[in-house]
Amino acid sequence: GIQVEQSPPDLILQEGANSTLRCNFSDSVNNLQWFHQNPWGQLINLFYIPSGTKQNGRLSATTVATERYSLLYISSSQTTDSGVYFCAVVNRDDKIIFGKGTRLHILP
Amino acid sequence: DTEVTQTPKHLVMGMTNKKSLKCEQHMGHRAMYWYKQKAKKPPELMFVYSYEKLSINESVPSRFSPECPNSSLLNLHLHALQPEDSALYLCASSQGYRVSGYGYTFGSGTRLTVV
Repeated sequence: GIQVEQSPPDLILQEGANSTLRCNFSDSVNNLQWFHQNPWGQLINLFYIPSGTKQNGRLSATTVATERYSLLYISSSQTTDSGVYFCAVVNRDDKIIFGKGTRLHILP
Repeated sequence: DTEVTQTPKHLVMGMTNKKSLKCEQHMGHRAMYWYKQKAKKPPELMFVYSYEKLSINESVPSRFSPECPNSSLLNLHLHALQPEDSALYLCASSQGYRVSGYGYTFGSGTRLTVV
């Protein structure tokens, strides 16, 4: 089945720093989303981005479908950005497959 | 309304208890999902309902019984659970199962502890 790999697995940054999270996937996908799971467990939809580039405030994402990767950029990090960032894709069987996540900790 | 609402937020139950988790959405989505998430792991798919019919059961034990009374509601009935079933249970919805071009919206989850 399709493999979804996220890197880095863990990231510790000082408040104000910028970061890039990466998601590689092993096969073509119909759907790709980035989620932020906050410390209370809520999965917040950041971007639906099967291809192209989108921006929302300090966050932006780029998916290069032909090269099977997606990047999530976080600029001017804030402590509220802490949590786990998941990349999720939908495979040919229409099942959503999550990566293992990047655990981000922003220090004040 | 762009939310998926789950109740209760927390649940502690004994192994002989029967309880239910509830999920509700009013976005007109026709596909609804149950996921189970253990600590420090990604969510794992349990069930998919499409147009109120069960489309996928990911070999989930029968002590978990899903129900979709209408297009806005999804329940998960729990009976004779084991301590290893303790986890965060997440509900999600989307425009439609096997419909490309749309994302998923997740609820805030029910944190279940089986004692």
